[in-house]
Amino acid sequence: DAGVIQSPRHEVTEMGQEVTLRCKPISGHDYLFWYRQTMMRGLELLIYFNNNVPIDDSGMPEDRFSAKMPNASFSTLKIQPSEPRDSAVYFCASSWTGPTGELFFGEGSRLTVL
Amino acid sequence: DQQVKQNSPSLSVQEGRISILNCDYTNSMFDYFLWYKKYPAEGPTFLISISSIKDKNEDGRFTVFLNKSAKHLSLHIVPSQPGDSAVYFCAALTGNQFYFGTGTSLTVIP
Repeated sequence: DAGVIQSPRHEVTEMGQEVTLRCKPISGHDYLFWYRQTMMRGLELLIYFNNNVPIDDSGMPEDRFSAKMPNASFSTLKIQPSEPRDSAVYFCASSWTGPTGELFFGEGSRLTVL
Repeated sequence: DQQVKQNSPSLSVQEGRISILNCDYTNSMFDYFLWYKKYPAEGPTFLISISSIKDKNEDGRFTVFLNKSAKHLSLHIVPSQPGDSAVYFCAALTGNQFYFGTGTSLTVIP
């Protein structure tokens, strides 16, 4: 399997612009997670989906952030408008239902908002 | 509020010696604890896990210890190798919610 695929790997944009990050989970995984990594807070869960349905979005910072999963093989995280404090690495991860719940992460999307 | 804490942001160890990475948690409802390893410009990868009903799990050079009364988790790497240099995240799982610590950057000096 190709693993979790994220795009773009790097994004540099100006404050106020819309940013869309994309994720293709591993085929057969029921769960998809979006995380944000910062130096201060480590890996923060933003939102997760089960069978394409958002289950918990309490980690989404504010209304500027939105996430969708239109089908089992694709998800997007959108930030509109973007701000400099959104600069971070955004990871997508997927997993199947199981006792250990191991997560499989993508390589991340590094976002820089100027 | 951070439910999983890694209080040491960095650790340096000589090659061949033991590396001990620590993690504390606050929620007694966590079912599983996991360690992930992350190299620069890559996503975290799963390393080892332990169920809350156990106190030790070993996999080769890696051993995870769980002290439920102290709400403390540790990862031992013996012997440490230069390729172990990475950021290590501990994570705790309840239901399908993962909570990660802030990470400890391990440097193994040749």
